[in-house]
Amino acid sequence: QVQLQESGPGLVKPLQTLSLNCTVSSDYINNGGYYWSWIRQPAGKGLEWIGRIHVTGASNYNPSLKSRVTISVDTSRNQVSLKLSYVTAADTAVYYCASNRYSVFDHWGQGALVTVSS
Amino acid sequence: IQLTQSPSSLSAFIGDTVTITCRTGQGITSGVAWYQQKAGKPPRLLIFDTSDLESGVPPRFSGSGSGTEFTLTISGLQADDFATYYCQHFISYPHGFTFGPGTKVDIK
Repeated sequence: QVQLQESGPGLVKPLQTLSLNCTVSSDYINNGGYYWSWIRQPAGKGLEWIGRIHVTGASNYNPSLKSRVTISVDTSRNQVSLKLSYVTAADTAVYYCASNRYSVFDHWGQGALVTVSS
Repeated sequence: IQLTQSPSSLSAFIGDTVTITCRTGQGITSGVAWYQQKAGKPPRLLIFDTSDLESGVPPRFSGSGSGTEFTLTISGLQADDFATYYCQHFISYPHGFTFGPGTKVDIK
């Protein structure tokens, strides 16, 4: 079973870059059948897909966030990384990484709360 | 493509049958998925490809639909089922993945 764990700073200043890592169980990171996605959820609100990456490096992003997002994969560290630049209070949310099997998200990390505040 | 869900919330008794509807702005051919989320937890995949039950999900959950209207039915609501439910769709790029706004199911 795929296991995912998010990590990173819980507090980011406005206009700085949010950086999170997702550690994926080693048996799966190189599984070409999966993409690895980031999804976020502001407190009390719904889910928003941010983007995804394949082990080959192929990536896709939500058009509404594309200009600020970079997702990368480091198979030597079993990690998928998210960078979101020029953050504002609207980017405060729980950030999840998830395995993306075909058109669904079948395994999720526990989530990491990131607050944007000075 | 935008997804809407109805109702936005509902109250039900244990043992009730509950139906949640997800509507798309235009007809889709690739189906929807359904997730359950409890407070403070990540979502859990219940249904994929409109009606296929994810491994380990109890058979009281079922999905159906086509075109612009899809439903999640919980037959015989259990205490463990009180949660928020989201539908989700994927459409080829540049759109990507979209979630519905959620339906909260609580105890009457």
